[in-house]
Parts: sequence; C-alpha cells; structure tokens
Amino acid sequence: QVQLVESGGGLVKPGGSLRLSCAASGFTFSDYYMSWIRQAPGKGLEWVSYISTSGASVYYADSVKGRIAVSRDNAKNSLYLQMNSLRAEDTAVYYCARLLGGNWGQGTLVTVSS
Amino acid sequence: DIQMTQSPSAMSASVGDRVTITCRASQGISNDLAWFQQKPGKVPKRLIYAASSLQSGVPSRFSGSGSGTEFTLTISSLQPEDFATYFCLQHNSYPHTFGQGTKLEIK
Repeated sequence: QVQLVESGGGLVKPGGSLRLSCAASGFTFSDYYMSWIRQAPGKGLEWVSYISTSGASVYYADSVKGRIAVSRDNAKNSLYLQMNSLRAEDTAVYYCARLLGGNWGQGTLVTVSS
Repeated sequence: DIQMTQSPSAMSASVGDRVTITCRASQGISNDLAWFQQKPGKVPKRLIYAASSLQSGVPSRFSGSGSGTEFTLTISSLQPEDFATYFCLQHNSYPHTFGQGTKLEIK
C-alpha cells in the first residue's frame, strides 16, 4: 500500500532553516508529481509546493516563494523541502502528498519560535 | 491565482439530514477539483476527485457535482461519523488553492 512518511520537523528560531523529508513506498515514486501542503494550528489547509516527476518543474505558493526549495531523489524514493528564513507564520504541520492518488503522509510539525 | 470560495464556513445538522457544501472558483477550472474530509487530529482524507468521482472505499452517500466554477459536495443522509471539516481543492493551475473549509457540527 502507498505510504508517505515525513520527518525533519521540529522547533526552530525565526530566521532559521529546516529540511523536511518524505519517504515514499508502495508505488513507483518516479511516475508521480508530488506536493507539500501545510496546516497551521487550528487553521485550514494551504498548498505549499509542487514538483514534477523529474524534478525539472517546480511551483511554490506566494507565501513561501524565495524561502523554500522542493526537490526529490527518485533513486531514494524521497521528497524534500528545504525551508530557510523561517517565520512564526510558517508554524504548521507539513504534509507530503501524492495528490493524484489522494495519498497524504501523517505530517511533521514545524514550530518557529524564539 | 484562482480563489476558491467555500460556503458555508460552518453548519449544524442532524443525523439523517441531506447536506450540501459549495465551492466557487474565481475562474473556470474544468473538473479539476477534489473534496477532502478532515477529523480533529487526523490527516485529510480524499472523498471525491475530478469533481464527481467517488474515491474507492468512500460511502456512496457522498457525491460531488459541478464543472467550471461551481461545485457541490452532497452528503445524502448524514451519519454520526460524518461530523468533520470539509475542504475543496482546485488543482487546475498553480498555485493550487483550497477552500476555507466547512465545519459540520451536530445539531
């Protein structure tokens, strides 16, 4: 079965950096575009980024553009989100998702606080 | 960017009621819309894809309709386990955008 497992979340100070990872299994990872979605505590869902199957094409939400970078390693069945210049408003649970199949990971919590 | 306006933001209903939630897109998105259900502390679960296709394993009391700019999610007969928050997502163009959510509570 499809599994997506995020890791790398934690507490970081404003202005700091964090790299999230998502390990995929149960499907041919290289055949699917992938997305990151986040949810701030008590708030709705916010789409964050997209990456194409090869990694050649990426898109970002305006709220994070210039501060984050999505990448993937198809040989390792892994998706990454490098987040820099973090702000308090980036505090959220971050989910990796295979939107085409409706599959989401369990999420990893990122807390930006001094 | 395409804005998704979801209504109502909250509603209360009784078991057995028929419920309809609407999402309106600021421009046409064909049928590139999905509906999700989220319960507190849980991961969102996709109910409907391509505006009207039922996700495998989802009860048939859930249905979706619409195309272009107006979409609806209907629950034909509410069950106790359906009380949750519902979101729509447009994936026609980037950035993808979610509706603000509809919190469905027990009356």
